[in-house]
Parts: sequence; structure tokens; C-alpha cells
Amino acid sequence: DTAVSQTPKYLVTQMGNDKSIKCEQNLGHDTMYWYKQDSKKFLKIMFSYNNKELIINETVPNRFSPKSPDKAHLNLHINSLELGDSAVYFCASSHKGQVAEAFFGQGTRLTVV
Amino acid sequence: QQPVQSPQAVILREGEDAVINCSSSKALYSVHWYRQKHGEAPVFLMILLKGGEQKGHEKISASFNEKKQQSSLYLTASQLSYSGTYFCGSPAGNMLTFGGGTRLMVKP
Repeated sequence: DTAVSQTPKYLVTQMGNDKSIKCEQNLGHDTMYWYKQDSKKFLKIMFSYNNKELIINETVPNRFSPKSPDKAHLNLHINSLELGDSAVYFCASSHKGQVAEAFFGQGTRLTVV
Repeated sequence: QQPVQSPQAVILREGEDAVINCSSSKALYSVHWYRQKHGEAPVFLMILLKGGEQKGHEKISASFNEKKQQSSLYLTASQLSYSGTYFCGSPAGNMLTFGGGTRLMVKP
């Protein structure tokens, strides 16, 4: 029974397209995150979402938008995809607070051609 | 601002020890450590909450110096399974920000 699941696992798409990545957690956590991991393995936080409070990393382009239909889901929408968006995107969840460990989904490898 | 890790990469022989350092220019109230194996998601190792706290996970331990805003991860008698990229994380509010990672390769 997967704790944090993302779909799809792989996504290949053309520049200019709009795509979504879905994330669901069954851990009862109240905070969810999206991270982007580039080819150099750097894990960059993009968004944090807790109880309808959205915190955005200011370096993230506004083509990226998270949508949370309910507490267990945080989907990532990307508009007008660019080559530089190619990366692995990880969803994660935790309880709120500094003492809480984060659980990661298996990642979505996005390739923009 | 993200924590800074050093070294960026380490190559070890099985049985050797290694230390990975994590420092922050901002106050650190707690430090997370994660390991990511190739092609997999990061996996939690431990959290240190108090200055001076030390913890252990298998033969991997860590310390946290709150005053110096630093944490170190100690890998003792390394095993092949320790290979991967290690990340320290610094929580601030609801954001968990990671350092650049340290790639560890353990060879037979």
C-alpha cells in the first residue's frame, strides 16, 4: 500500500504543451510538497501546501501551479512547457512542523522535447 | 536560503569511514538527513532537534551544533548499501529546503 504515489512515472511531451502530475498520500499528513530535481541532483523546493495555505518558492515560474482538491492530493500543473522544465519531480508529504519526516513519492521523470 | 553541504562527492572502500557536513547561514532549529539511491526517491534517515543532539541509524550517526549552525553525518565502516546521495534539510515554517547533496560511492 503505497504511502505517497505519483502518476505518471514518466512523461514525455513537446514544448508549449500543458501537462499535469498527480500526487496522492494516504498517510493522513496535513502538509504536501513539490520538489524539482535537476540532472545535477539538486532538490529544489517548489511549493508547500498546508491546510489551504500555499507557500511558493519565489524562483518558481508562474507557469507552475499546484492544485489541491482535498487534503490527500496535491497535483502539479505546468503550462507552456519549456526544455528547461525537464527534470524529475517529486511529491512529498509530512505532518506540519519541524520534527516531521517527509515521505516522498517515486518521482515523475518529465522530458520536454 | 539552502544549507551548504561538503564534500560534494566521496569515494570510499568498503569498511572506511566518512563525514558529511551541512552548514547554514541562517539559524538552524532542526536538521533532517535523507539518503537517495540511484533512480529512487529520497528516504528519511533521521532528524536532530537540539543543539548537541546525536542520533544513530544502523552505523550512520549525526550530530547537530546549533550555535555553529552545523550538522555532520558520520558513516562508520561503510557498506556497499550506503552508496547514494545524502541530503541535509533545513525546515523553516512549512518549507523543507535541502542542501546540494553529497554523492557517496562505496566500492568493494
